[in-house]
Order: sequence, then structure tokens, then C-alpha cells
Amino acid sequence: AQSVTQPDIHITVSEGASLELRCNYSYGATPYLFWYVQSPGQGLQLLLKYFSGDTLVQGIKGFEAEFKRSQSSFNLRKPSVHWSDAAEYFCAVAGSARQLTFGSGTQLTVLP
Amino acid sequence: NAGVTQTPKFRILKIGQSMTLQCTQDMNHNYMYWYRQDPGMGLKLIYYSVGAGITDKGEVPNGYNVSRSTTEDFPLRLELAAPSQTSVYFCASSYRQGDEQFFGPGTRLTVL
Repeated sequence: AQSVTQPDIHITVSEGASLELRCNYSYGATPYLFWYVQSPGQGLQLLLKYFSGDTLVQGIKGFEAEFKRSQSSFNLRKPSVHWSDAAEYFCAVAGSARQLTFGSGTQLTVLP
Repeated sequence: NAGVTQTPKFRILKIGQSMTLQCTQDMNHNYMYWYRQDPGMGLKLIYYSVGAGITDKGEVPNGYNVSRSTTEDFPLRLELAAPSQTSVYFCASSYRQGDEQFFGPGTRLTVL
């Protein structure tokens, strides 16, 4: 069975600082990987996804993520955080059955 | 193009009452999903459907029922509400299994 771990429950960064959110997955083969963002009171919006090919994927809002097979990781990065990036971020994996399994989320606070 | 819509946005139920959460999508997606989100947790899959007339259980189906009579609609039924069903419920849809899922805004349900 597949699983996803987001080790950081809450991260606080200053506006303009760089950001990295960690995601580790467990799955025997190459999974489909996703990052979603959830603003307060809203549904989830896809930031980016990895299916195959180039291991560095670009997403919306200036986010990128890198798939590292050797580390079973798919960390999300942004070079300069904006106050509007404050939200909860979910990593998700889809294995052979292509059902999404979500991590427990990382809450991002951005300080002015 | 409204995407995925859910009604109601909020609801308070008494223990033992029943209700139906409505979900409609206008993207002609075959795949539809129901998730629940509890505080500090990721999303858990309740039920999903791969097309009209076809539904299947997810990770946490107990206490819920679904039907899929049309491509557009995927209602979730709670027959005998229990406090453990207090949660935020999200409906989602996708074109193919494993593809990006598009989420509705959610229904916040409280069972007292």
C-alpha cells in the first residue's frame, strides 16, 4: 500500500524568504505525485504534478518540486514566498490503482 | 464552467438524522470522489465512481452511501448521523484515474 509523510506540521517563513516543504512517499514503483494547496475555507487546488520524465517540475504561482527516487521524496520549493502563499499544503501519491493518498498537510505561515 | 459544486456549505445534524450532500460537476469527467477531512489529517477517500452506475468503496466507507445515476451528479448519503461523522466533506472529479482531481469548496458538517 502507498503512503505519504509530510514531516513538518507547521512552517513559518518571512515574506521574501525561500521555502521548502518536505514530502516522502512509500510505494514500490514510480508513483504519480502531486502537490495541492488549500486556502482557508476553500477546496484543494493543484500546484503541480509528476508522472514521468524530467524530475524537476514547474507549477503555478512560482512553485517547483523535485522527484528524487533514491530518497523517495518530492519536496516543494519556492525561491521567494509571498504573503498570499500562506495556506495548507498537501502532498499526494497515486499508486498502481491510481487512488490518491494524501499526506497530513503542512500549514505555512508567512510573516511580514 | 462552474467546475465542481457542492451543497450545502454548512449543516448541523442531530445524532440519528439523515442527509444527502450534493455534488455536481460540469466538466464531463467520468471519475468522481468523496473525501472527508478531519483536523490535522489529510483527506480520506470515502467512495469513488468511475462512471454512471459504477461506484466503489474507498478507505472509510462505513456510515455512508453513494449513487451515480448521471455523469454530472454524485450525491453522498448519511443514513444515521453520528458524532464521528463531524468533518469537512470534499467532492472531486477527474478526467482519468490518476489525473489531476478538481475539488469542490467543501461541506462542513457537524453532528451533535
